[in-house]
Amino acid sequence: DAGVTQSPTHLIKTRGQQVTLRCSPISGHKSVSWYQQVLGQGPQFIFQYYEKEERGRGNFPDRFSARQFPNYSSELNVNALLLGDSALYLCASSPQAGAVNGYTFGSGTRLTVV
Amino acid sequence: QKEVEQDPGPLSVPEGAIVSLNCTYSNSAFQYFMWYRQYSRKGPELLMYTYSSGNKEDGRFTAQVDKSSKYISLFIRDSQPSDSATYLCAMEDSSASKIIFGSGTRLSIRP
Repeated sequence: DAGVTQSPTHLIKTRGQQVTLRCSPISGHKSVSWYQQVLGQGPQFIFQYYEKEERGRGNFPDRFSARQFPNYSSELNVNALLLGDSALYLCASSPQAGAVNGYTFGSGTRLTVV
Repeated sequence: QKEVEQDPGPLSVPEGAIVSLNCTYSNSAFQYFMWYRQYSRKGPELLMYTYSSGNKEDGRFTAQVDKSSKYISLFIRDSQPSDSATYLCAMEDSSASKIIFGSGTRLSIRP
């Protein structure tokens, strides 16, 4: 079975640009969460979606947005990129919201803003 | 004050040693406690989770939770070079549908 897949694996953007990151959950998983991991720190929660609805939002500016599609895949969008947005962006899927023993993370998308 | 505090290390021990990793937290409402392992250039991988206080053992790994002290630990017995990774403690904040992670401890097992 395929795990959580994220694309792209790496990308470089310029300050002020916009970026879209994609995530495909494990088959049968209906919840997707997004986390930002800055080098040397633990992941920070950005969003959780369950059954296409936002279930939780972290302390991130409105430049960050996300959505979940009918097939449960998800996109994370970041507008007006800042240097501080450089990080590893992780997607985690689970069968349902709150299933802490079922969170599976992808390998992440490494975003560099120059 | 951070909700979850974890010593970043790095921690270097010889192969076969017992490793102790620890975290403290401030929110007494946390009920689920987890340990993740993260290899370089990979996403975190769930090692163990426990509900409320107590011990849980899985092979060479033992997780302990002391809610009265707001303190959790992970013990690794007979450590192997393949255990070299960053270990993240985490807790579920069910009121906000999120997991809160510590900053991670970088562990190196010397052959």
